[in-house]
Amino acid sequence: AQSVAQPEDQVNVAEGNPLTVKCTYSVSGNPYLFWYVQYPNRGLQFLLKYITGDNLVKGSYGFEAEFNKSQTSFHLKKPSALVSDSALYFCAVRPGYSSASKIIFGSGTRLSIRP
Amino acid sequence: SAVISQKPSRDICQRGTSLTIQCQVDSQVTMMFWYRQQPGQSLTLIATANQGSEATYESGFVIDKFPISRPNLTFSTLTVSNMSPEDSSIYLCSVVLGRNTEAFFGQGTRLTVV
Repeated sequence: AQSVAQPEDQVNVAEGNPLTVKCTYSVSGNPYLFWYVQYPNRGLQFLLKYITGDNLVKGSYGFEAEFNKSQTSFHLKKPSALVSDSALYFCAVRPGYSSASKIIFGSGTRLSIRP
Repeated sequence: SAVISQKPSRDICQRGTSLTIQCQVDSQVTMMFWYRQQPGQSLTLIATANQGSEATYESGFVIDKFPISRPNLTFSTLTVSNMSPEDSSIYLCSVVLGRNTEAFFGQGTRLTVV
């Protein structure tokens, strides 16, 4: 069965510092991996995805993530955090063999950036 | 990309009643998904809705409680039946356009059962 783990409920970072939000996954076959962000009282916004190719993917708002197959990880990173990055972040995974396969979400990590 | 309109955006309902949530997509999609999310928590998949066939429900969710309609390729409804306070949650509609694309989400329906 496929699963996603976000081991940190909350990550606190000072503005201007680099940030990392961790994600590990378990899925049969090649994974399709995603990061979403959710601001208060808003829907989910797509940040970035890994389907195939370069292990380092770049997304919206200066975020990037690195796919590591041996460690089954897909950590979200940003070189310099902004206060406006404070939100709830979800990692998600889907088996790549079919668009009909469902997307499973991690438990979420609340990112708090202090001025 | 896809633009998803979800109605209502929020509602307060009496226990024992039912609420139907509508999801309209601006393009034709084969599969639509319904999720439930407690505020600040993760998303739990309720069911996958295929056009022209019965929805596929996840463990813990049944058709009698959450009937789904999918009359065409751009529209679906989820009904929360015989509601109790435990059904208070955010309900989200989602679509995937193709194999290599991400999922797109509606803004959600915030349901409070009193």
